[in-house]
Amino acid sequence: EIVLTQSPATLSLSPGERATLSCRASQSVRSNYLAWYQQKPGQAPRLVIFAASSRAAGIPDRFSGSGSGTDFTLTISSLEPEDFAVYFCHRYGSSPWTFGQGTKVEIK
Amino acid sequence: QVQLVQSGADLKKPGASVKVSCKASGYTFTSFFLHWVRQAPGQGLEWMGMINPNGGDTVYAQKFRGRVTMTRETSTSTFQIELNSLRTEDTAVYYCASPDCSSLTCPLDYWGQGTLVTVSS
Repeated sequence: EIVLTQSPATLSLSPGERATLSCRASQSVRSNYLAWYQQKPGQAPRLVIFAASSRAAGIPDRFSGSGSGTDFTLTISSLEPEDFAVYFCHRYGSSPWTFGQGTKVEIK
Repeated sequence: QVQLVQSGADLKKPGASVKVSCKASGYTFTSFFLHWVRQAPGQGLEWMGMINPNGGDTVYAQKFRGRVTMTRETSTSTFQIELNSLRTEDTAVYYCASPDCSSLTCPLDYWGQGTLVTVSS
């Protein structure tokens, strides 16, 4: 099973600042089948990035994903108030599908 | 548009079983695999398994094998998960989710609203 480790656990930033979230896999992620989800309290997760760097439908271009192999990054170039949430990375494509433990982006 | 609508919250005693349903609409029912993911209070996401609506083949996470059953009913476009021998640590929000393509190499685009299952004596 591929274990995903996210860092930091919490990121305290102000609106307008840049957020950089990390996801490290215990083994290489085949074909970059790595996604990022945003989750707000009381809501289901929302797909933000898939295939490591492709934005999902309706996601603003301030969100970008990068990386390959075992190291992946989600960057939010300039935080908007609605971006403060928990973000999970997710490896898909073969069983077992796994998730990271999440990074909370909170208002400083 | 694709919609996954889940059944309501449930309260169970330890040792009991629970069934959660997920009704799909807005697409051809047999097109996409359906996954189940759970989230304990204040915790991360945990993948439980998936079902192929074409034929009903299932893949379960090792942690849940022997205790979980995923089924589908084509006539009503409904999926169901049953978890047996419930323990207090099974208290969680259970989500159904599906990709936007028929391949296994697609992430989870669509999610149900979640169903809170509470296990308590």
